[in-house]
Amino acid sequence: KAGVTQTPRYLIKTRGQQVTLSCSPISGHRSVSWYQQTPGQGLQFLFEYFSETQRNKGNFPGRFSGRQFSNSRSEMNVSTLELGDSALYLCASSLATGDYNEQFFGPGTRLTVL
Amino acid sequence: DAKTTQPTSMDCAEGRAANLPCNHSTISGNEYVYWYRQIHSQGPQYIIHGLKNNETNEMASLIITEDRKSSTLILPHATLRDTAVYYCIVRGHNAGNNRKLIWGLGTSLAVNP
Repeated sequence: KAGVTQTPRYLIKTRGQQVTLSCSPISGHRSVSWYQQTPGQGLQFLFEYFSETQRNKGNFPGRFSGRQFSNSRSEMNVSTLELGDSALYLCASSLATGDYNEQFFGPGTRLTVL
Repeated sequence: DAKTTQPTSMDCAEGRAANLPCNHSTISGNEYVYWYRQIHSQGPQYIIHGLKNNETNEMASLIITEDRKSSTLILPHATLRDTAVYYCIVRGHNAGNNRKLIWGLGTSLAVNP
């Protein structure tokens, strides 16, 4: 069974631009969560989607948004990029929402904002 | 939600057991201890979790103290491929907010030949 895939793996943008990252969950998984990981910080939760609905949201500004499609694939968007948005963005999928369902992580998208 | 404290870094000789400690003194009765690891340039990988009994799987063993305020992850025969950052997280099994946990910086384990 294929794992979680994320595209692109690397991305370079400039301040003020916007970016869209994509995540394809493991086949059959319906929950997708997004995390931001920066040097000196642990993983910080962005949001979780299940059945095309946002179920949980972390403490990030409105510039960070996401969506999920009917095939469970998910995208996250960051508008008006800032230097501090440079990070590894990780996507994780699980069978269902709820924390008793184990999450499987993708390799991440490394975003650099210049 | 309970927070965890881990050493910043540890070294281990290849073939020896790696014992990674974690303090979680504010853990509540319904919170589990989870361990993940993150190998360089990869996403985190689940290792093991437990509530109060010791647990073992093909990857590792988890020893939780009787008062549940600390735990130790044991890699019985560390290999070079075990070099990674190891995260100890406590979380409940209630639906809702536990995805919001901040994972912390973990322990950077270096397995040396």
